[in-house]
Amino acid sequence: GAGVSQSPSNKVTEKGKDVELRCDPISGHTALYWYRQSLGQGLEFLIYFQGNSAPDKSGLPSDRFSAERTGGSVSTLTIQRTQQEDSAVYLCASSFHGGVGYTFGSGTRLTVV
Amino acid sequence: QQQVKQSPQSLIVQKGGISIINCAYENTAFDYFPWYQQFPGKGPALLIAIRPDVSEKKEGRFTISFNKSAKQFSLHIMDSQPGDSATYFCAASILTNAGKSTFGDGTTLTVKP
Repeated sequence: GAGVSQSPSNKVTEKGKDVELRCDPISGHTALYWYRQSLGQGLEFLIYFQGNSAPDKSGLPSDRFSAERTGGSVSTLTIQRTQQEDSAVYLCASSFHGGVGYTFGSGTRLTVV
Repeated sequence: QQQVKQSPQSLIVQKGGISIINCAYENTAFDYFPWYQQFPGKGPALLIAIRPDVSEKKEGRFTISFNKSAKQFSLHIMDSQPGDSATYFCAASILTNAGKSTFGDGTTLTVKP
């Protein structure tokens, strides 16, 4: 597609449930990033994929968070046993070359009730 | 230290005025400094970026000023318009190190007609 596509756009889940968030990056972009944006806050780095290299998971806040990228394209961010503090907008971005000019998706707004 | 400090948190400017947003960083290894613009309900969009080998970059009404010795950079929006009302984020990354960006906390700009 022309842009980075994220689904769902909104997700309401009950505390303790698992959720999966999907990101479809721009075709040909080798770098893919996940960030989290809490209300009124900046962007918190979660995880980074570059080509076939091992992902940089240094930003994942706990072992309840994991992500994978299949075939160097689509990525899924999974949050297990969701907590209320996980409520935020989860943003995915991709770039042709790592770090130069991200293109962000519109995000998934996650609400844990 | 990977922190990027952004100020002010919010800014109100009259139409036609100049909007100025400032960022400071600690890590002298940063070599790419983009600014992103975010409208409500959307992901951030790359606005303009600068490398440390230049002191200023201008694109239309948007200018980045970069002071390497002070480890500061700023965004200037000339002839500010109501359509510029958005949240602006500065960021910094190390392109040779996978380029994962560290973001400032954002500035909410309101341009009054």
